[in-house]
Amino acid sequence: DGGITQSPKYLFRKEGQNVTLSCEQNLNHDAMYWYRQDPGQGLRLIYYSQIVNDFQKGDIAEGYSVSREKKESFPLTVTSAQKNPTAFYLCASSPRMGIETQYFGPGTRLLVL
Amino acid sequence: GDSVTQMEGPVTLSEEAFLTINCTYTATGYPSLFWYVQYPGEGLQLLLKATKADDKGSNKGFEATYRKETTSFHLEKGSVQVSDSAVYFCALSAGEYGNKLVFGAGTILRVKS
Repeated sequence: DGGITQSPKYLFRKEGQNVTLSCEQNLNHDAMYWYRQDPGQGLRLIYYSQIVNDFQKGDIAEGYSVSREKKESFPLTVTSAQKNPTAFYLCASSPRMGIETQYFGPGTRLLVL
Repeated sequence: GDSVTQMEGPVTLSEEAFLTINCTYTATGYPSLFWYVQYPGEGLQLLLKATKADDKGSNKGFEATYRKETTSFHLEKGSVQVSDSAVYFCALSAGEYGNKLVFGAGTILRVKS
């Protein structure tokens, strides 16, 4: 089955620690996205990538970093500079630039110890 | 900038009741409009979409009509079921190529048997 997988389902971060969230898709989509979801605030765009080896900041990129070395993978690193990382993180993809429908993974919940 | 406003929840209905979730938007240009649904602990699933004025999106008994004159995209269903209990997000396409999504805050729907 084609789809988007995210791992882990739950992730715990200690103060001052960087953590990386995985996102993999086998849909052969060019574009991939990371969103952050907080209660009552909907989803906010962190980073997006239109093509391999290229990515752009979204609305709340501070304290996060990404890479896009392979078409199927778009990992998100939550750095120690992100002071309020507790949230639900959602990865999405779309077939290519200009195709608007996005398909979402199951999400990773990040908690701070 | 572009934005989406949804009615606040939670919305609590009895099974077989009529559902309306209001959504209005502010946008430059002519965005596509979407409704996504999120079941507990899961990612988002596309429910329906409309790409131009007066288009009606429909899926699984849900409908929404793109109203340019009122900048609205209200979600309706004639008879809800307990299994419809979820969070519903209205969204619009934004950005230079229309593949950045701007989300509303989400509306919780609870259906009682």
